[in-house]
Amino acid sequence: TQLLEQSPQFLSIQEGENLTVYCNSSSVFSSLQWYRQEPGEGPVLLVTVVTGGEVKKLKRLTFQFGDARKDSSLHITAAQPGDTGLYLCAGANNNNDMRFGAGTRLTVKP
Amino acid sequence: DTGVSQDPRHKITKRGQNVTFRCDPISEHNRLYWYRQTLGQGPEFLTYFQNEAQLEKSRLLSDRFSAERPKGSFSTLEIQRTEQGDSAMYLCASSLPLLEDEKLFFGSGTQLSVL
Repeated sequence: TQLLEQSPQFLSIQEGENLTVYCNSSSVFSSLQWYRQEPGEGPVLLVTVVTGGEVKKLKRLTFQFGDARKDSSLHITAAQPGDTGLYLCAGANNNNDMRFGAGTRLTVKP
Repeated sequence: DTGVSQDPRHKITKRGQNVTFRCDPISEHNRLYWYRQTLGQGPEFLTYFQNEAQLEKSRLLSDRFSAERPKGSFSTLEIQRTEQGDSAMYLCASSLPLLEDEKLFFGSGTQLSVL
């Protein structure tokens, strides 16, 4: 059972479109992280959100942490082929180690 | 390069053989994690160390798996009597204590194929 549920599992869009992916849990987290992973490589951290309701922007990427700190979203504006990858969310559990969702596999077609 | 390094990058073995992977974390990081990832899934937690102490081990980890971090620096993950279901990417990550800085830095992984 995944502690963190991510949706959608797969997403294929055209270059220039906007998209939002979601990370949900029944648990409260002190923080959530978003990573991007390319084939054959380890995940790379994009952002950490800590405060309920927090919004962080990283160029065309906007991350939001839910008010109750149980969910998060990632919005990409004007997606580019270089955004293609597996987007993972992760949170620290009660044992203070990081657990990951199953990820959203994004494909941006030129 | 001071990132997390893993060796080997790829390992092909026959069922029943033992394999050992190595992870060298970022030098100032005292936390080290092992994850396993199969195609289309997120990383699945296996175990983690704080310095040389193994603080948690997933109950999904069978007795055939063992991890060590003898001097609190590099770590090894050994799989004995490999099975085809062990085929996966094995990822290592390191960090400072999560209460201080919750960033995990991952290596490129070891891709294991059990024939």
